Amino acid sequence: SAVISQKPSRDICQRGTSLTIQCQVDSQVTMMFWYRQQPGQSLTLIATANQGSEATYESGFVIDKFPISRPNLTFSTLTVSNMSPEDSSIYLCSVVTGYAGELFFGEGSRLTVL
Amino acid sequence: KQEVTQIPAALSVPEGENLVLNCSFTDSAIYNLQWFRQDPGKGLTSLLLIQSSQREQTSGRLNASLDKSSGRSTLYIAASQPGDSATYLCAVHSGGYQKVTFGIGTKLQVIP
Repeated sequence: SAVISQKPSRDICQRGTSLTIQCQVDSQVTMMFWYRQQPGQSLTLIATANQGSEATYESGFVIDKFPISRPNLTFSTLTVSNMSPEDSSIYLCSVVTGYAGELFFGEGSRLTVL
Repeated sequence: KQEVTQIPAALSVPEGENLVLNCSFTDSAIYNLQWFRQDPGKGLTSLLLIQSSQREQTSGRLNASLDKSSGRSTLYIAASQPGDSATYLCAVHSGGYQKVTFGIGTKLQVIP
C-alpha cells in the first residue's frame, strides 16, 4: 500500500490566478498520476508525472495549463494555471504499487474558482 | 474504448441490510478491477482489487466478484452500517497503468 498526502485539501481562488498542489508519497514509486474529478463526473486522467523527464499529458490537457513537476520518486506538484470557474474540481494524486497494479489516491484537493 | 457503468446511481437502505452494487464494462480484456469508496469532497480509498484471473475477493463485510466474460462485477456489502454511507466507484484497468476507466459511482446512504 501507499500513504499519499496532498496539500492543500481545499482552496478558493480568484479567476486568472494559479494554484500549485503538492503530493507526497511515503515510499518511492515509479508511476504517479494526476486526475481531475469535476462535479458529478467520473475521474479523468490529466497526466502521468515522470521522474526526470517531462510529464505525459492526456488528450485535452496541455502543459501550459497544467504544468507538473516530479523532482524525485516520492514527490510531485500540479499547477492549475490561469484558472477559470470551469477548473473548479477535485484534483487527485495517485500512485500504482505492487505487482497487481493497485491504485492508491491522496485525499484530494478541492478547488473552487470564483 | 472501455466504458464503465454503475447501477444504481443512488441507493438508500436501512441499517443492517445486505446490498449489492453493480459495475459493468464493455471490453472484457481487462488487467484487473478495483473498487473504491469516496466520501464527499475527498479522495478515493481502495477497498478491493480483483485480478483478471480471479473470480472474487473478500475483505471483512465486503465481497467483490468478477465475471469477465459477461463484463460484470458486483460489490456485496453485508450488514450495512451508517458509516458505510459514501460513493462507491468501480475502476477497470486495461492495457497498462494509464488505461484506467472509472464509473461515475453509486451513492449509498445507510439509514440508522
